[in-house]
Amino acid sequence: DGGITQSPKYLFRKEGQNVTLSCEQNLNHDAMYWYRQDPGQGLRLIYYSQIVNDFQKGDIAEGYSVSREKKESFPLTVTSAQKNPTAFYLCATGGYNEQFFGPGTRLTVL
Amino acid sequence: EDQVTQSPEALRLQEGESSSLNCSYTVSGLRGLFWYRQDPGKGPEFLFTLYSAGEEKEKERLKATLTKKESFLHITAPKPEDSATYLCAVQGEGYQKVTFGIGTKLQVIP
Repeated sequence: DGGITQSPKYLFRKEGQNVTLSCEQNLNHDAMYWYRQDPGQGLRLIYYSQIVNDFQKGDIAEGYSVSREKKESFPLTVTSAQKNPTAFYLCATGGYNEQFFGPGTRLTVL
Repeated sequence: EDQVTQSPEALRLQEGESSSLNCSYTVSGLRGLFWYRQDPGKGPEFLFTLYSAGEEKEKERLKATLTKKESFLHITAPKPEDSATYLCAVQGEGYQKVTFGIGTKLQVIP
């Protein structure tokens, strides 16, 4: 069954903690993306990667970090430097014609 | 900088009442314009990609059209299951970044 998986679905973090969100794909796409979605705002790009071992900052990269060691995986770490991390996080993959999204991870800071 | 503006922000229709959603955009050389459907708490579901002015695509009760400045998503005889937020996004020539609008929240009442 092809697609994109994100885990966990819900994540709770205490202030000052780093957390890592998982994103795995078996669509054989080179490009992968991380977006953040907040109520009343469009999806905002955090990081994207066009190829293994390479990634670029998006519009709101501060307080986040990523790695791309395998084509199938693009984990996102939300660090303690991110001041307002509570949001819905979406991973996507794509070619030039469309992007496919995972089911999302809802992160809540307690 | 690429920009996407969607209107209206919210739309309430009676079942069977046809209408259109608008997506106005500015981009340096359009590679593609995308429409997505998003249900609450889920990742966006890809609907259409449009590439050039004059292009049209259809899927069940949905029809997307494209001009040089805007795109319309026409919904014909909608049903309650069409209730969702519809997102528009654009990708410019030469780069992978996709810019999203805030979306139009559609509610179809039986």
